[in-house]
Amino acid sequence: NAGVMQNPRHLVRRRGQEARLRCSPMKGHSHVYWYRQLPEEGLKFMVYLQKENIIDESGMPKERFSAEFPKEGPSILRIQQVVRGDSAAYFCASSPSNEKLFFGSGTQLSVL
Amino acid sequence: GEDVEQSLFLSVREGDSSVINCTYTDSSSTYLYWYKQEPGAGLQLLTYIFSNMDMKQDQRLTVLLNKKDKHLSLRIADTQTGDSAIYFCAEFTGSARQLTFGSGTQLTVLP
Repeated sequence: NAGVMQNPRHLVRRRGQEARLRCSPMKGHSHVYWYRQLPEEGLKFMVYLQKENIIDESGMPKERFSAEFPKEGPSILRIQQVVRGDSAAYFCASSPSNEKLFFGSGTQLSVL
Repeated sequence: GEDVEQSLFLSVREGDSSVINCTYTDSSSTYLYWYKQEPGAGLQLLTYIFSNMDMKQDQRLTVLLNKKDKHLSLRIADTQTGDSAIYFCAEFTGSARQLTFGSGTQLTVLP
């Protein structure tokens, strides 16, 4: 049973470009979470999704950020018009029951 | 509100026990977790405890929960160099439906 798969592991973008981060949850998990980790900080909640639904996006910036978890395929975190402050590690987690979360290895986004 | 606090650094000698402490503020927390993060890696779920438990032991790991004081600790017995990592405490509350993490404790194991 493969773990939570995130790709790419590293993503480099120039200011103003778009970043797309992908997350495939563990088999049988219908809950997906996205967290952001800034250097030397803990993880901050961004968004919680179930299949085709956003349940809680209270941690996501109102502009430029969006997330989806379609019926088929991975969850996508999309950042439009990236700025240097978006540089961080973005972690996805999945859960079978909304309580025990299993994390992927993260995507390190670097904005030049 | 929700706030989870941890001390930033801990150094121990190989073979000694490590105790990492955490305080939280949300009394409605249902589960409390310990995650381990090694450099450049994701978070590995180490152990967790349900809020109606006082203690949980899993091999070298012992979790103690003092719900009255909202204090959680992780004890690692016979600490090894491979235990060097950042350890995150996290709480889950049903109302928030999300994990809230502390800032992490950097554990350094000295030979």
